[in-house]
Amino acid sequence: AQSVTQLGSHVSVSEGALVLLRCNYSSSVPPYLFWYVQYPNQGLQLLLKYTSAATLVKGINGFEAEFKKSETSFHLTKPSAHMSDAAEYFCAVSPASGGYQKVTFGTGTKLQVIP
Amino acid sequence: EAQVTQNPRYLITVTGKKLTVTCSQNMNHEYMSWYRQDPGLGLRQIYYSMNVEVTDKGDVPEGYKVSRKEKRNFPLILESPSPNQTSLYFCASSTAGGGPPDTQYFGPGTRLTVL
Repeated sequence: AQSVTQLGSHVSVSEGALVLLRCNYSSSVPPYLFWYVQYPNQGLQLLLKYTSAATLVKGINGFEAEFKKSETSFHLTKPSAHMSDAAEYFCAVSPASGGYQKVTFGTGTKLQVIP
Repeated sequence: EAQVTQNPRYLITVTGKKLTVTCSQNMNHEYMSWYRQDPGLGLRQIYYSMNVEVTDKGDVPEGYKVSRKEKRNFPLILESPSPNQTSLYFCASSTAGGGPPDTQYFGPGTRLTVL
């Protein structure tokens, strides 16, 4: 079984401040981990992914995330928030082995950027 | 242009009236999936398909059916819709090649209301 926990359904930051969105996972096998972003009235698009290569992953729009096995975490960060970062962010996990293809998403974190 | 299309985008129907939401992708992806998105619950996987004629249940399959007769199409069928199936539905596709699903590409969503 696998699960994803995103701490904080809403996060507010000032423009130019650090963005930190938290994701913890549980998985019985090594995971693939993803962060997706959803802008209002749109589908989801990939920000970045971890697929067992480098533990520090860089994505689009200046976002990055670090896979920490010991903490079962995959937190998303961006050094300086921009107004255009306001959106909902989803962490997702799928097993990297075992022939088990189910993908599990977290409940999402809405990011508000304050001018 | 690489894309996942869904139709219809909006649908209002009544309890018990069978409906089908179509999904098509033009990227020759093996893996396709249906999700529903509800406030506070994130995305929950309904069904997924690893290839033609290979489908499996996700976390919330009750009340839904799918088929994968062609690689590009993955329709979602509600045989007897009920009000608790009112939701925003997303179709997604990705490469898998027999392994775990990689980056998923999402359709624009179908907003379904069941009265």
